[in-house]
Amino acid sequence: GAVVSQHPSWVICKSGTSVKIECRSLDFQATTMFWYRQFPKQSLMLMATSNEGSKATYEQGVEKDKFLINHASLTLSTLTVTSAHPEDSSFYICSARGGQAQETQYFGPGTRLLVL
Amino acid sequence: GQNIDQPTEMTATEGAIVQINCTYQTSGFNGLFWYQQHAGEAPTFLSYNVLDGLEEKGRFSSVLSRSKGYSYLLLKELQMKDSASYLCVLMDSNYQLIWGAGTKLIIKP
Repeated sequence: GAVVSQHPSWVICKSGTSVKIECRSLDFQATTMFWYRQFPKQSLMLMATSNEGSKATYEQGVEKDKFLINHASLTLSTLTVTSAHPEDSSFYICSARGGQAQETQYFGPGTRLLVL
Repeated sequence: GQNIDQPTEMTATEGAIVQINCTYQTSGFNGLFWYQQHAGEAPTFLSYNVLDGLEEKGRFSSVLSRSKGYSYLLLKELQMKDSASYLCVLMDSNYQLIWGAGTKLIIKP
């Protein structure tokens, strides 16, 4: 149980385009979903926290207009990187919390974004 | 404030046992997690402790002492695939995760 999927696993795009990443909890209802970013050899950095049906809470320094988060249902959250630039290239990981283990975050496999 | 301290890197031998320590300071506490992260992959949940004591899952065990602000992860019968970073993660009073920098574990044959 507690499986989280992400799609796509890899994306390469041109600078200026927008990229949407999906995060799904497959076998439980995620009351809260989290989006992280991780640069090589660095710790995970929390970008935002979202609860189903409400606006996401962004961490300090994360531009909400650039990283659009939608948590439309208890099993799906999306992160859209708008007008992507090469410095947005990173490993984006979502996690979800809910189900029987309310306190534990389960992570998706991550999405590697490369902006050319 | 909150602070988590764990060794940067450890080396162990295949088949042996290794203990990865984590000390923390926090004003609010709602549990401590251990995650495993292989290079280039997302973290995988290993254990959660909220009360003092031992949690066992197969070859992996975690121990928590809240009074000492201390936890450790014990890995038995080490396998080469256990080479990874092990992250000590604190959940604060607001249920936010505070991530340690991780311990890179290198397993040698």
